[in-house]
Amino acid sequence: GESVGLHLPTLSVQEGDNSIINCAYSNSASDYFIWYKQESGKGPQFIIDIRSNMDKRQGQRVTVLLNKTVKHLSLQIAATQPGDSAVYFCAENGGSQGNLIFGKGTKLSVKP
Amino acid sequence: DAGVIQSPRHEVTEMGQEVTLRCKPISGHDYLFWYRQTMMRGLELLIYFNNNVPIDDSGMPEDRFSAKMPNASFSTLKIQPSEPRDSAVYFCASSEGARKVFHEQYFGPGTRLTVT
Repeated sequence: GESVGLHLPTLSVQEGDNSIINCAYSNSASDYFIWYKQESGKGPQFIIDIRSNMDKRQGQRVTVLLNKTVKHLSLQIAATQPGDSAVYFCAENGGSQGNLIFGKGTKLSVKP
Repeated sequence: DAGVIQSPRHEVTEMGQEVTLRCKPISGHDYLFWYRQTMMRGLELLIYFNNNVPIDDSGMPEDRFSAKMPNASFSTLKIQPSEPRDSAVYFCASSEGARKVFHEQYFGPGTRLTVT
């Protein structure tokens, strides 16, 4: 039969609105988390990270929230712009210092 | 810093041919990672090195794939013989490792491989 491609969750927002991208991580031992942004034709680009001893961290227009109780991570983008259109990946370290485990990604589409 | 450098950016080859992908990590980074990205499977870790030593190669699909890191500034990923199902974008990434307890990975632009 025909192969089915990876179905990415898609979030569509209006320019200027806030975006919230969610991620459920799997490993209770993870103590470091990262959000990456991947634009079409490019490699993933680091956005923001957070350690497990924090529940919130803010960057420029972005905020990451960590809820260890339910193993949930979110990325909030304020005043979303067309340049924010990309696939966003969360990653966890699984308790290791070297490796990262990547999620499947969420596609963000910004409507002008 | 030029960032992680990968070559070639695009590679088209015929089934059965040998393919070699190259990576130059960011200077001073202790870890180097090879990933494969496809629509079917997303981003998959193939292998990673620490101080030029392979640490985990459990993601390498089969014996046709091999990776080397002869020195701190160069790594290769080789596929021999190549098959159409190897078509994907291959990313190299590096991170600081021992200098930081937690460290983000910096990705190269990728090599888009097409095997016909």
